[in-house]
Amino acid sequence: QKEVEQNSGPLSVPEGAIASLNCTYSDRVSQSFFWYRQYSGKSPELIMSIYSNGDKEDGRFTAQLNKASQYVSLLIRDSQPSDSATYLCAVGNNAGKSTFGDGTTLTVKP
Amino acid sequence: NAGVTQTPKFRILKIGQSMTLQCTQDMNHNYMYWYRQDPGMGLKLIYYSVGAGITDKGEVPNGYNVSRSTTEDFPLRLELAAPSQTSVYFCASSSITGGGEQFFGPGTRLTVL
Repeated sequence: QKEVEQNSGPLSVPEGAIASLNCTYSDRVSQSFFWYRQYSGKSPELIMSIYSNGDKEDGRFTAQLNKASQYVSLLIRDSQPSDSATYLCAVGNNAGKSTFGDGTTLTVKP
Repeated sequence: NAGVTQTPKFRILKIGQSMTLQCTQDMNHNYMYWYRQDPGMGLKLIYYSVGAGITDKGEVPNGYNVSRSTTEDFPLRLELAAPSQTSVYFCASSSITGGGEQFFGPGTRLTVL
């Protein structure tokens, strides 16, 4: 079992729809959870971080964390073609290290 | 602030050659990391450092070496390059007080032929 698993994708949604990206992790003592966006040929860019159970909203993005189920998700509302990218889930420990999933590629069709 | 900078952007090596990938950050971050990303895959941690003079192995350290003599710089050395080291290499940094968010450099695309 991988330490961090994401939907294999690719995920395709129409413009204006909600995109839902999911991630599960195996280490129960994980402290911090991140979503990075990576455009093709570019480096990852942090878009959301979440540290406690529940929802965290930032603009069109909502991160959801359920530590009991070891599950973290990212919702993108009103998806735009510019949201087309690979989304990486990362899980951090208290030593400053993060483990990354393999990513889910999202395509938003106009 | 330039953030995290990496040089070179691209490099082609012959099997058995060596090279150093440079990484510099100007955010005074304690933590620095080197990752490799193979096509269609996530990031694999090669080495990381929690401060000047302190380094530790990550998930895939074989064939690489690092040093951290200053807070700003974290070079990655490839000795005896092999085709399996063909990848995109990313350097990242984070603050000890920042909750773990990492800031990435633009990457170095390395091909070993």
